[in-house]
Amino acid sequence: SQQGEEDPQALSIQEGENATMNCSYKTSINNLQWYRQNSGRGLVHLILIRSNEREKHSGRLRVTLDTSKKSSSLLITASRAADTASYFCATPGQTGANNLFFGTGTRLTVIP
Amino acid sequence: DTGVSQNPRHKITKRGQNVTFRCDPISEHNRLYWYRQTLGQGPEFLTYFQNEAQLEKSRLLSDRFSAERPKGSFSTLEIQRTEQGDSAMYLCASSTVESRGHTQYFGPGTRLTVL
Repeated sequence: SQQGEEDPQALSIQEGENATMNCSYKTSINNLQWYRQNSGRGLVHLILIRSNEREKHSGRLRVTLDTSKKSSSLLITASRAADTASYFCATPGQTGANNLFFGTGTRLTVIP
Repeated sequence: DTGVSQNPRHKITKRGQNVTFRCDPISEHNRLYWYRQTLGQGPEFLTYFQNEAQLEKSRLLSDRFSAERPKGSFSTLEIQRTEQGDSAMYLCASSTVESRGHTQYFGPGTRLTVL
């Protein structure tokens, strides 16, 4: 079963606007990761936030984590057409093997 | 760093046939993972190797599936007697113990279509 659930399932914005995606998860975690997947391709790691961090930035990306609400958000500022992709949050498996549990993803479309 | 590679990129087969996929991880990575992704869903964990040892298998990995990593480098995933429900993207990822937070690096995937 998949632990994370992204919201919204799909998002369409104009180039230059900001895009916000949310992720909720079910169990305690020590970190949460966000990945991007372009159509029909593998996943690319974007950013990792640890459970003792509340906010993290990387370029145009801003991630927040609220462990009390078991939720995270990914903000992409000044979006570009090249940001069009599916975005997934991922949390570590419970068994300690470092497998990841992915959410169902948010499909972002940035219109030029 | 040539990244994780997977072959073939696409495979079309008839129901009942056997298929084998290959994954070459990043050379210094000792951990290797297989995931399956169906349309509109996120990847689902199948199995995990540390070096040549297969340390974990998901319940999704039926007895028709077998994975190997004989020398702790490349890995193969074989599906026997394929079924239409096996149609999916099969993703391989690798990481090191030292990877910060165990970030995983994914290959481009093998898309399997079972007719």
